[in-house]
Amino acid sequence: ETGVTQTPRHLVMGMTNKKSLKCEQHLGHNAMYWYKQSAKKPLELMFVYSLEERVENNSVPSRFSPECPNSSHLFLHLHTLQPEDSALYLCASSPYRGANVLTFGAGSRLTVL
Amino acid sequence: GDSVTQMEGPVTLSEEAFLTINCTYTATGYPSLFWYVQYPGEGLQLLLKATKADDKGSNKGFEATYRKETTSFHLEKGSVQVSDSAVYFCALKWGTSYDKVIFGPGTSLSVIP
Repeated sequence: ETGVTQTPRHLVMGMTNKKSLKCEQHLGHNAMYWYKQSAKKPLELMFVYSLEERVENNSVPSRFSPECPNSSHLFLHLHTLQPEDSALYLCASSPYRGANVLTFGAGSRLTVL
Repeated sequence: GDSVTQMEGPVTLSEEAFLTINCTYTATGYPSLFWYVQYPGEGLQLLLKATKADDKGSNKGFEATYRKETTSFHLEKGSVQVSDSAVYFCALKWGTSYDKVIFGPGTSLSVIP
């Protein structure tokens, strides 16, 4: 499989649940990103990983916890979320940190009840 | 701070009509400029880019020219097709020292037969 793959594509969870989003890339890229896409708002960069090291955390609440076990996989662990966290969460990768072009996955649509 | 402004959508056009989606940016200096496209149910894909003033990016019949005098990067296509229906995002990014891509809010385009 090529490109950036995200699972699940859709997730509904209660405010007390714990769930995880998964992202996988087979492009040989060394940098991976989590973005949040909310209705009528610009994409928000959440986290950046370079060679499995977190290099940026844009003031994201601690109820979002990223994990990058290797350069091909990226997770976003979710717990005690709020309804306003409902959004499309997009994973992206690039050949190296700061590269001009990002390759995005199709996203995970999260609904928090 | 840096920002990207796009014309508000949704934009509805008939097949074979001329398309313009306006994009202006605010930045100190000369960043690289991009157009990304998001087809229904998919992630963002790079459509075209321009890395310096007066550069023209082009792809799939779409064009955009980097105009530093008007800080603009308007997207154009001479004859749209139904398959062009998507959300279009204008974006800017500084050089490889920076991770953050600043996206505009997106403009939804619907092309009707």
